[in-house]
Amino acid sequence: DAGITQSPRYKITETGRQVTLMCHQTWSHSYMFWYRQDLGHGLRLIYYSAAADITDKGEVPDGYVVSRSKTENFPLTLESATRSQTSVYFCASRRGSNYEQYFGPGTRLTVT
Amino acid sequence: EDKVVQSPLSLVVHEGDTVTLNCSYEVTNFRSLLWYKQEKKAPTFLFMLTSSGIEKKSGRLSSILDKKELFSILNITATQTGDSAIYLCAGSSGSEKLVFGKGTKLTVNP
Repeated sequence: DAGITQSPRYKITETGRQVTLMCHQTWSHSYMFWYRQDLGHGLRLIYYSAAADITDKGEVPDGYVVSRSKTENFPLTLESATRSQTSVYFCASRRGSNYEQYFGPGTRLTVT
Repeated sequence: EDKVVQSPLSLVVHEGDTVTLNCSYEVTNFRSLLWYKQEKKAPTFLFMLTSSGIEKKSGRLSSILDKKELFSILNITATQTGDSAIYLCAGSSGSEKLVFGKGTKLTVNP
């Protein structure tokens, strides 16, 4: 039972490059979320999805793009990476409304 | 704007002590309050509280919600070094989002 996985786990990229972070869950949860975690800010929601083909912005969506063509996958793309996007990114999923979220292991992204 | 505030931000105790972590919230269309434990990796789920005054327990951890005063506490009794972690509190709103506090860093010394 893999649960929720993220890849890559670590990534170093250069300013201006496009980067895609992958998230895959095996539970068939309808909801999926992307967060970034930075010192002093805690966890902040980037985007979320209530179902396939339904996505919505969170607190800090600028510079990011998401898609959800299949229930189990929720990739996050940084279209043109900036140093301010250096962070730890967590994907999470949830069965439905009013249930707890489960987090993936995280991706540590460094933009040089 | 929705917000969740945790206190203290950092706490150092000795093994065997009892600790109380605080979480206050202002969340539109509030649904539930969640607690997570984060060691060096992903947050792991501890409790979800939806009803006021009903304590939830798991071993040495317990939590309760006060919807009138808009706060929750997380208690840990007989602390162990393995309890050292960041404890995150989050409020769930009607918009399906979780709003997280900045966390309380707990250090338990032997």
